[in-house]
Amino acid sequence: DTGVSQDPRHKITKRGQNVTFRCDPISEHNRLYWYRQTLGQGPEFLTYFQNEAQLEKSRLLSDRFSAERPKGSFSTLEIQRTEQGDSAMYLCASSSLSGNTIYFGEGSWLTVV
Amino acid sequence: QKEVEQDPGPLSVPEGAIVSLNCTYSNSAFQYFMWYRQYSRKGPELLMYTYSSGNKEDGRFTAQVDKSSKYISLFIRDSQPSDSATYLCAMSLFSGLYNQGGKLIFGQGTELSVKP
Repeated sequence: DTGVSQDPRHKITKRGQNVTFRCDPISEHNRLYWYRQTLGQGPEFLTYFQNEAQLEKSRLLSDRFSAERPKGSFSTLEIQRTEQGDSAMYLCASSSLSGNTIYFGEGSWLTVV
Repeated sequence: QKEVEQDPGPLSVPEGAIVSLNCTYSNSAFQYFMWYRQYSRKGPELLMYTYSSGNKEDGRFTAQVDKSSKYISLFIRDSQPSDSATYLCAMSLFSGLYNQGGKLIFGQGTELSVKP
């Protein structure tokens, strides 16, 4: 069990640039989640996939954000035209379909300058 | 008002103390309750998971859920400096068997420091 893997771990980008994060879930897990966490706050739900289907998106996920999970394996989260307010840690998590235990990756830190 | 309230601390205790961490919530429909530990600049690590009311024990950790009071607790016995971290409570409405399963609502997190 290699756990949930996220890449890159850190990204510094200029305002207006696009960034993409990748997540590889635990191999047998059907569900994959994206959360965002800012300093001093708990993670906030962004979106989740069951296999390749995106089943729910939070209103926090503006039009500049898009997530995909082709073939129900890894997932990508893209942020277009980044803003300073996008600076946060982006967390990926996964779980099995029948389980309620959700495992998080180490996160991808984004700093927009 | 947030759905899940958690005192951010910081909480500082001497090594060996019993630590009590708590969360209150407003949505009586929450059924699944978790505690995560998060070290600085790392992802949350699942510590405990409980369903509905009751107690669950795992080593030095005990989780309690009181749905009538909308109150959950995590107790850490014989606390160690390695327990120093931020503790996040999280809760969910539905089982993973349902389409909305797994969407967690987190508290703000309590920062704990255990001094040697």
